[in-house]
Amino acid sequence: DVKVTQSSRYLVKRTGEKVFLECVQDMDHENMFWYRQDPGLGLRLIYFSYDVKMKEKGDIPEGYSVSREKKERFSLILESASTNQTSMYLCASSLGYRGLNEQYFGPGTRLTVT
Amino acid sequence: DAKTTQPPSMDCAEGRAANLPCNHSTISGNEYVYWYRQIHSQGPQYIIHGLKNNETNEMASLIITEDRKSSTLILPHATLRDTAVYYCIVKTGANNLFFGTGTRLTVIP
Repeated sequence: DVKVTQSSRYLVKRTGEKVFLECVQDMDHENMFWYRQDPGLGLRLIYFSYDVKMKEKGDIPEGYSVSREKKERFSLILESASTNQTSMYLCASSLGYRGLNEQYFGPGTRLTVT
Repeated sequence: DAKTTQPPSMDCAEGRAANLPCNHSTISGNEYVYWYRQIHSQGPQYIIHGLKNNETNEMASLIITEDRKSSTLILPHATLRDTAVYYCIVKTGANNLFFGTGTRLTVIP
């Protein structure tokens, strides 16, 4: 089975802190994604990556950056956390060209910024 | 990508088939229909996808109408563990999965 793991299930940070969210997948997938999920808004794509050292902006990249130094690991960085970044963050991975195939999701990280 | 319309909630008796409808009247010829579900406090889980033909796997069946403007996800024998929010998504090979608000399915004992 594909396994996507995220570094924390729950995280509490202060406004202005730099926050790192880590995601690791164990199935050699080319594609990795970061979403945030908020009530009434569904999932929104922040950034994605089709290959090592490659990244592309999603729908809401402002205030975030990403890093993909190894194929299995995709990190989401909040440079200076703000209260409007309080959310559930979901990482996903998929096989194949440009994400046509099904995406496998991690359990999510619920981030609270105070 | 085309938008989808789903009922906000449905109930189903345990052991019965759950039929979840989805309208996607603006779907284009190269857009696939995907279904995911999200059980409370977990990440979304892929269920099934199709283009034109009906599809079946170990989890569910997907019935797509001939004009492709609507589809139905069928869980043949619903269990309590199938209680979740079910999302119908249409997309091309592009990266983004647009999850709307989905259908909250409650399986009743």
